[in-house]
Amino acid sequence: DQQVKQNSPSLSVQEGRISILNCDYTNSMFDYFLWYKKYPAEGPTFLISISSIKDKNEDGRFTVFLNKSAKHLSLHIVPSQPGDSAVYFCAARGGTSYGKLTFGQGTILTVHP
Amino acid sequence: GAVVSQHPSWVICKSGTSVKIECRSLDFQATTMFWYRQFPKQSLMLMATSNEGSKATYEQGVEKDKFLINHASLTLSTLTVTSAHPEDSSFYICSARVRALVGYTFGSGTRLTVV
Repeated sequence: DQQVKQNSPSLSVQEGRISILNCDYTNSMFDYFLWYKKYPAEGPTFLISISSIKDKNEDGRFTVFLNKSAKHLSLHIVPSQPGDSAVYFCAARGGTSYGKLTFGQGTILTVHP
Repeated sequence: GAVVSQHPSWVICKSGTSVKIECRSLDFQATTMFWYRQFPKQSLMLMATSNEGSKATYEQGVEKDKFLINHASLTLSTLTVTSAHPEDSSFYICSARVRALVGYTFGSGTRLTVV
């Protein structure tokens, strides 16, 4: 049962344009959502997060939007840069005390110069 | 910021031998450490959660006798793959929850190849 889904395996964007990465979830008990950037053979790097009580969080070029009624979140990167090319994972934290994360399958973002 | 140091970064071992992977929190105390594995082009799958001083909690389908997790101190957690087989070849990553910061910090991962 895939509780967190990233339905787009890949996304290609021109430098300077907006990148929009999407994520859907099924478990309404998730209370926190996070986005990570990952390169091959490396650990994920935290980008941005959002609490389930909010609908938007912004940090520099990165903005995460949460639509609880649709159980959907998205990561916007503006403007996109070639250095943003990587695999992006969304993750959701369950309402448990130790807070384990459930990851989506990842989306490969390629930003062309 | 919070850093988790994971070693080794890669290891090749013979089938039937055991391999230990270490994760150390360098500048904070990690009361909880998570262990993931990732197969090529797939998601990170949680294997187990370890809490300092207590037994690890394993996810469904993960063999606790094969993947031994020890979290003896607030700065060190280890994963030992016992009697490794080629199907255990994967990328293993640890992660610690950092209460003072938003998010979780991850180790750099270990590429295990069993031949």
